[in-house]
Amino acid sequence: NAGVTQTPKFQVLKTGQSMTLQCAQDMNHEYMSWYRQDPGMGLRLIHYSVGAGITDQGEVPNGYNVSRSTTEDFPLRLLSAAPSQTSVYFCASSSQAGGPVETQYFGPGTRLLVL
Amino acid sequence: QQPVQSPQAVILREGEDAVINCSSSKALYSVHWYRQKHGEAPVFLMILLKGGEQKGHEKISASFNEKKQQSSLYLTASQLSYSGTYFCGTVGNEKLTFGTGTRLTIIP
Repeated sequence: NAGVTQTPKFQVLKTGQSMTLQCAQDMNHEYMSWYRQDPGMGLRLIHYSVGAGITDQGEVPNGYNVSRSTTEDFPLRLLSAAPSQTSVYFCASSSQAGGPVETQYFGPGTRLLVL
Repeated sequence: QQPVQSPQAVILREGEDAVINCSSSKALYSVHWYRQKHGEAPVFLMILLKGGEQKGHEKISASFNEKKQQSSLYLTASQLSYSGTYFCGTVGNEKLTFGTGTRLTIIP
C-alpha cells in the first residue's frame, strides 16, 4: 500500500492564480481531511469528508474548495491564491466513517508559496 | 476551538522524563497524540477514549481526565528519537482539532 499520497510536494504560485492540491489514499478509508500548518499555529482543519459525496467545513475553510467524487481522492482547490495561503498542507485519512476517532494517516505534505 | 498545550517547548537530557499537557474548553470524547519530526508528516502515537480505553505506544503513556477535559502525555527515560513536536487532538462534531504543539528537544 502506498498509504496517503500528495502531489505536488512543492509549488510556487502568484497571487490570484488557482491550483489543485491532490490527495489520494489506497486504504479504502472513508474519512479524509485537509489541514494547513503554519509556524506557531499547529495544524488547522480546512475541510473534511466522511465519505464519497459528503464534505464539510473545518476551522479555516475560506478560500478553499473540496469535492469527494470517489473514496480514494480528496482534492483541495485554491480558487484565487493569496500570500496568506502560504503554508504546508497535509491530507489525512482514517477508517472511521462518521467521526475521526480512529488513527489518522497523514500524507507527506505539500509546501505552497504564494508570491 | 483549539485545545491548549503546555509547555510550548521543553529541553531534556537523554534519560530524563517529560510531561506534556493538553486541555480543552469543550467536553471530550477522545484525545489523540501525534509526533512530528522536522520536515515530516505527523505520526500517530496514541488515542485515549472516554471510559479509559487506551491504544498506543509501548514506551509512551498518557492519561485522560474526562471531567477536567484534560490529557497528559508521559515520556519516560527519553531517547534522542523522542525529539520533535507533539500535538494533541480533540474530537467533536466529526472534526479532529489539534493544539498548537509542544516542541521537545532531547540532548545527549
